[in-house]
Amino acid sequence: AQSVAQPEDQVNVAEGNPLTVKCTYSVSGNPYLFWYVQYPNRGLQFLLKYITGDNLVKGSYGFEAEFNKSQTSFHLKKPSALVSDSALYFCAVRLSLLRSYIPTFGRGTSLIVHP
Amino acid sequence: DAMVIQNPRYQVTQFGKPVTLSCSQTLNHNVMYWYQQKSSQAPKLLFHYYDKDFNNEADTPDNFQSRRPNTSFCFLDIRSPGLGDAAMYLCATSRDPGLYEQYFGPGTRLTVT
Repeated sequence: AQSVAQPEDQVNVAEGNPLTVKCTYSVSGNPYLFWYVQYPNRGLQFLLKYITGDNLVKGSYGFEAEFNKSQTSFHLKKPSALVSDSALYFCAVRLSLLRSYIPTFGRGTSLIVHP
Repeated sequence: DAMVIQNPRYQVTQFGKPVTLSCSQTLNHNVMYWYQQKSSQAPKLLFHYYDKDFNNEADTPDNFQSRRPNTSFCFLDIRSPGLGDAAMYLCATSRDPGLYEQYFGPGTRLTVT
């Protein structure tokens, strides 16, 4: 079984400040972890993923995420938020097994960046 | 640019009137997915195709059907839409199962009157 939790429905941050969107996961094995962003009335857009290797993953638009196996977390971060980063963010997890390729999505976190 | 295309972007149908949503991809990906998303919630997987193999989620209502006539196209048929079926429908693709992320289309927003 696999599950992912995004404990915050909404995150508010001022433009220029660092942002963190939290994600924790539960899988019975090694995880593959993903972050997606969704702008209003659009589909999800891939930001970054952790498969193996370096725990710090860099992705699109200046976002990065750190895989922490002991805390089963994969928090999304950005050093300096932009108003245009305001969107809905989804974390997803799947097992690192070929037959388990269907990801499980978190419920999403709405990021609001204030000017 | 390679992409996932959904048509139409907005669809209005009447209660009980069949409707078909379409998805096409130029990525040549093996796996295609249909998701239902309501009110900024997590996307809910309805079914997916791995090549020609159809996989239905256990809780997908019988009212929802899908067809994949070839690698590039996939259709979602709603046989008798109810008011509760109003949602955003997202099509996604991915390469062979492995290390790969999903690519999503822009979605079709379905309204049921």
